[in-house]
Amino acid sequence: DTEVTQTPKHLVMGMTNKKSLKCEQHMGHRAMYWYKQKAKKPPELMFVYSYEKLSINESVPSRFSPECPNSSLLNLHLHALQPEDSALYLCASSQGRMLRTEGTEAFFGQGTRLTVV
Amino acid sequence: GNSVTQMEGPVTLSEEAFLTINCTYTATGYPSLFWYVQYPGEGLQLLLKATKADDKGSNKGFEATYRKETTSFHLEKGSVQVSDSAVYFCALVPRVGNTGKLIFGQGTTLQVKP
Repeated sequence: DTEVTQTPKHLVMGMTNKKSLKCEQHMGHRAMYWYKQKAKKPPELMFVYSYEKLSINESVPSRFSPECPNSSLLNLHLHALQPEDSALYLCASSQGRMLRTEGTEAFFGQGTRLTVV
Repeated sequence: GNSVTQMEGPVTLSEEAFLTINCTYTATGYPSLFWYVQYPGEGLQLLLKATKADDKGSNKGFEATYRKETTSFHLEKGSVQVSDSAVYFCALVPRVGNTGKLIFGQGTTLQVKP
């Protein structure tokens, strides 16, 4: 099983709403990631979790709040978003955070397409 | 700094044509290199990878060779199909520092016509 599952697939939310994106993997991976992808652009790293601890925050605004409840789950809590936050949010996981040795490549989920109205 | 440069698209080919998508990189030391593919409306899938110089990654008829002399990792396929239409991203992970961060090129859109 090399699957990273993200829910929901689509989400429309108002600027005053609170919502959460969920990501799950059962590959035993110990590193998990959130990326943001705008249309016709490459993904941009937001957060990296390693062994359930936040190890990288790419200066993401506090209206995005990540959470890693256990080694298989990763959440992204959203609050008071702006229309410019509309994007595809991708979750990924890898065996380790190093990503550069054999067997540690990142696997991506299908993404959640978020629209902020 | 570390960066990846890809040829601009879109690349439009007829079915069974030969494909080359150019990718060059700038990095300290010898990074690991990847090609990811994104089909319409989907997430990214790892297509192939190479972790050291002269390695050739291959998958589904696609190939790329890690060339340290030219700092390149060009993607090739001998005969494309309509189902290969997608956006292709070249990416690197540096050998030093920046662990956990894939650095992507801008992506190249491939359109294959029947």
